[in-house]
Amino acid sequence: NAGVMQNPRHLVRRRGQEARLRCSPMKGHSHVYWYRQLPEEGLKFMVYLQKENIIDESGMPKERFSAEFPKEGPSILRIQQVVRGDSAAYFCASSPPEYGTGVAYEQYFGPGTRLTVT
Amino acid sequence: AQSVTQLGSHVSVSEGALVLLRCNYSSSVPPYLFWYVQYPNQGLQLLLKYTSAATLVKGINGFEAEFKKSETSFHLTKPSAHMSDAAEYFCAVTGDTGRRALTFGSGTRLQVQP
Repeated sequence: NAGVMQNPRHLVRRRGQEARLRCSPMKGHSHVYWYRQLPEEGLKFMVYLQKENIIDESGMPKERFSAEFPKEGPSILRIQQVVRGDSAAYFCASSPPEYGTGVAYEQYFGPGTRLTVT
Repeated sequence: AQSVTQLGSHVSVSEGALVLLRCNYSSSVPPYLFWYVQYPNQGLQLLLKYTSAATLVKGINGFEAEFKKSETSFHLTKPSAHMSDAAEYFCAVTGDTGRRALTFGSGTRLQVQP
C-alpha cells in the first residue's frame, strides 16, 4: 500500500510566481491535511479537506493561498505571487474515514515539498 | 483550544542510555495524543498514539509513552538509545470536536553519542 505521495519534492520559484503543490493520499483515505514547517519550527496546520469540500481552513493565510481536493485527482495547495517568507517545507497528511474515533484521527504524512523562493 | 509544550529543544544521550523526551499538553476535551519522528529532509513517521484506551502505549522501534491525565503529560521513553534514534521528535494533540487538525509541539532534537 503506497504511502502519501507529494510532488514535487523540491520547488524553486522567483518572487511573484505561482507555486502548485500536489498530494495524493493513501489508498482508502478520504481526508487530507496540509501543514507548513518553517525552518527550525514545528508544523503548523493550514487546511483540512475532504473530497470536494474544505472542512477547516482556519490555518490558511487570508491571501494568496488556496487549496482544493477534487473528486478526481490529487489535492492541490496553490500559492500565488510567492514571497520569500513562503519558503518552507509543506507537508500533506491523510487519514481514513470515520470507522472509529481513534483510528480516524491518525494522520499519515508524505515526504513534503520544500519550497524555495528566490 | 489545545496546545503542546515540549521541554528541551535538544536532548543528548549516550548510546545505550535511557531516552526521555517530555511532552505536556493542554486540552479542553479528552485528547488524542501522538508522537512523530522526523529524520533529516523527510516526512513525519507515526511512532505511537494514545486514543483513550491503555494509558501506557507501545510504539515502533522500542519507544513507549504513558498518558498521565493528572499531570497532563505524555512523555516518550526508550530504555536503551541506539545511534539510529537520532532525529527530531514531535508531540501532537487533537480531539477538538469537529476539528481534526493536529497541534504540534516545537520539537525535540535527539542526539545519540557513541
